[in-house]
Amino acid sequence: ETGVTQTPRHLVMGMTNKKSLKCEQHLGHNAMYWYKQSAKKPLELMFVYSLEERVENNSVPSRFSPECPNSSHLFLHLHTLQPEDSALYLCASSQDYGAGGFTEAFFGQGTRLTVV
Amino acid sequence: QKEVEQNSGPLSVPEGAIASLNCTYSDRGSQSFFWYRQYSGKSPELIMSIYSNGDKEDGRFTAQLNKASQYVSLLIRDSQPSDSATYLCAVNGETGGFKTIFGAGTRLFVKA
Repeated sequence: ETGVTQTPRHLVMGMTNKKSLKCEQHLGHNAMYWYKQSAKKPLELMFVYSLEERVENNSVPSRFSPECPNSSHLFLHLHTLQPEDSALYLCASSQDYGAGGFTEAFFGQGTRLTVV
Repeated sequence: QKEVEQNSGPLSVPEGAIASLNCTYSDRGSQSFFWYRQYSGKSPELIMSIYSNGDKEDGRFTAQLNKASQYVSLLIRDSQPSDSATYLCAVNGETGGFKTIFGAGTRLFVKA
């Protein structure tokens, strides 16, 4: 089992659909992240959860809704997305978040999302 | 000014040569520096981390950090075609609220 697992790997959805992305980490880490990667743009941090509490929300539209039921699982609920939301969505985890913590992040394989 | 800046490339080097990848950052309070490798269609993979000024070597990879110049680099010795990928520089520090900021990446192409 790889350290950080994401499902599904590919997703095509219409603008009126509701879908969810799932991430699971098997590393015993305390922090989990959602990143968005669009073509030729830097990785954009969307959300950070530390010890199951959301600590960062980088002005992400409300059509993206994260959920962290426990320290091993992270979801990204999607609804009424736009075509410009098509991108690679990456989940990552790290040992801790913030001062004194390891910030080396380990990424899942990503979900390639296409909104039609 | 971008927070983390990298030359987008592509950087093309012959097999066996040294590839030199550079990154500058704007936040003087940055404390942790990382290099990730990302193959096309794959997720980023951490290859080096560096926290103090100087050089850090790991196999064919050497990371160099100069905090005074706000500059971090990655050298790849004896480059192989399998090193062809996009290399992402990432920076983390207290000023940024401990958010890890990524550069846009440099594409490296190693010619056989």
